[in-house]
Amino acid sequence: EAGVAQSPRYKIIEKRQSVAFWCNPISGHATLYWYQQILGQGPKLLIQFQNNGVVDDSQLPKDRFSAERLKGVDSTLKIQPAKLEDSAVYLCASSLDRIGELFFGEGSRLTVL
Amino acid sequence: AQKVTQAQTEISVVEKEDVTLDCVYETRDTTYYLFWYKQPPSGELVFLIRRNSFDEQNEISGRYSWNFQKSTSSFNFTITASQVVDSAVYFCALSDANTGNQFYFGTGTSLTVIP
Repeated sequence: EAGVAQSPRYKIIEKRQSVAFWCNPISGHATLYWYQQILGQGPKLLIQFQNNGVVDDSQLPKDRFSAERLKGVDSTLKIQPAKLEDSAVYLCASSLDRIGELFFGEGSRLTVL
Repeated sequence: AQKVTQAQTEISVVEKEDVTLDCVYETRDTTYYLFWYKQPPSGELVFLIRRNSFDEQNEISGRYSWNFQKSTSSFNFTITASQVVDSAVYFCALSDANTGNQFYFGTGTSLTVIP
């Protein structure tokens, strides 16, 4: 069974530029999450989707971050414009339902210069 | 409010030693789930175990064991006879029924096993 796929693995941009990350969850997993993991910290939830609907985006900085999961399968997370403090690993995870364990992708490491 | 505390930031042990990683959690809910994840240098978080709040039975899986104690709100993880491949960052996480599976992660414990 294929795991959670993410791309790109690494991205370096300058502040005020934009960037987009893509995630394809495990087939059949209805719930998809985007987490931000800053170096030395635990993952912090940015947004949670159930199929193509948003369940929780309370910690998403909506002035610069956006995410969509239009067809209830893959998802895109966008940052525009990026700030230095956005440097982090962006982890995508999926679960079969809303109480199951999360399966994580390898993450997309963003460096903002 | 939900919170997970992993007081040990970094631990180093010599290969074959036993090591225990501590996890203390806070929640007002009676139904919740506790997890441990391993994050090796490659970066991918790997699921290790899930326990629900109604099951306090300790669990052993090979060299791994978990001690869940509701009385002290702790869910500690022990690795017996540690190996170099156990070197990673380990995260404890809490998920409760009221937040629709939002996970609260601790800050992680970085384990280094020295050969």
